[in-house]
Amino acid sequence: DTAVSQTPKYLVTQMGNDKSIKCEQNLGHDTMYWYKQDSKKFLKIMFSYNNKELIINETVPNRFSPKSPDKAHLNLHINSLELGDSAVYFCASSQSYQDNYGYTFGSGTRLTVV
Amino acid sequence: DQQVKQNSPSLSVQEGRISILNCDYTNSMFDYFLWYKKYPAEGPTFLISISSIKDKNEDGRFTVFLNKSAKHLSLHIVPSQPGDSAVYFCAASGGGDMRFGAGTRLTVKP
Repeated sequence: DTAVSQTPKYLVTQMGNDKSIKCEQNLGHDTMYWYKQDSKKFLKIMFSYNNKELIINETVPNRFSPKSPDKAHLNLHINSLELGDSAVYFCASSQSYQDNYGYTFGSGTRLTVV
Repeated sequence: DQQVKQNSPSLSVQEGRISILNCDYTNSMFDYFLWYKKYPAEGPTFLISISSIKDKNEDGRFTVFLNKSAKHLSLHIVPSQPGDSAVYFCAASGGGDMRFGAGTRLTVKP
């Protein structure tokens, strides 16, 4: 009964492919996030959804498209994968967008583009 | 199951004093530990890290201490400044896994 679950945990794919990462939370939280952790361990916010509505959309290539079918799910679809997309992607959730603590993170998806 | 715990959701200290943020973990496979700092409406930013082969790492006003036998790490900020007011996340990685604590909100009062 993992609170925030991401699948898959590892993803190795070739350049040019399209892939999706799924995220689900069973905490009843209103807000979900996608973060990208780069090689320097920095966590960068990519997207945030509150009750299925997009509230943060940082400057990321439009090859990345989030989809929130309901407030418990936030999936990340990536088109035309590039080498630079290789990173660990974390999903997270919080009670509300105003919460500055009480984040629950997923365990991450390690994406390797070859 | 929470493998990384930050049991204090909030901490308030006076400017100039020491801030001590604590973190406990349960998984012996973790061998690398990180602290992140997060301001409101921004993503967490990497602050300082420590490998399990060390018990202390210092960077300016920030020092992280690791007690492997107790599976405990702490972040010391000396002296604390109002600009340090933020949420601090502890993270632990190892065996291909990384887990985050829920965060501690630090308020430094002038």
